[in-house]
Amino acid sequence: DTEVTQTPKHLVMGMTNKKSLKCEQHMGHRAMYWYKQKAKKPPELMFVYSYEKLSINESVPSRFSPECPNSSLLNLHLHALQPEDSALYLCASSHGLVNTGELFFGEGSRLTVL
Amino acid sequence: SQQGEEDPQALSIQEGENATMNCSYKTSINNLQWYRQNSGRGLVHLILIRSNEREKHSGRLRVTLDTSKKSSSLLITASRAADTASYFCATETGGFKTIFGAGTRLFVKA
Repeated sequence: DTEVTQTPKHLVMGMTNKKSLKCEQHMGHRAMYWYKQKAKKPPELMFVYSYEKLSINESVPSRFSPECPNSSLLNLHLHALQPEDSALYLCASSHGLVNTGELFFGEGSRLTVL
Repeated sequence: SQQGEEDPQALSIQEGENATMNCSYKTSINNLQWYRQNSGRGLVHLILIRSNEREKHSGRLRVTLDTSKKSSSLLITASRAADTASYFCATETGGFKTIFGAGTRLFVKA
């Protein structure tokens, strides 16, 4: 199983809503990532979890709250978002050993904030 | 944050031609990777080259790395219409920090 599964595929929410994006992998990977991608732009790193501990937070606003309940799951909790937060949110995982590279990406959750 | 630049930003070629994309980066790296993304989809890993390597091949792909110039190139030989996609370089700088370049949009005409 070499898949990273993201749900939901599409999400529309108002600025006062609370929602969550979910990501799951069963490859035994120990590093998991959230990226944000706007149209025609590269993915921007948001958070990295290594062995279920938050290791990188790229100065992401607190309205985005990551959570890693176990080594297979990664959540991104969303609250009080702004329309400019509309984007494709990509989850990825990697083995967790430094310099082994290769990120495995999910298909993304496309978020629209009204 | 964005690690580097890619050029060209867009490339249009005929099927059967070779496509070359370049990537420059700013800081020391552990490795450099190339990814492909079809419109609105997830990214797919193509090839990784470590900082102590200079050239790597995988099928129709050839990657070079020049750490003195902080640059890399991706060559796709004998391109096909199915190669139409966006291509991104990404650099791992340590501690799992993997940053993507701006990307090249490749269009291969049948």
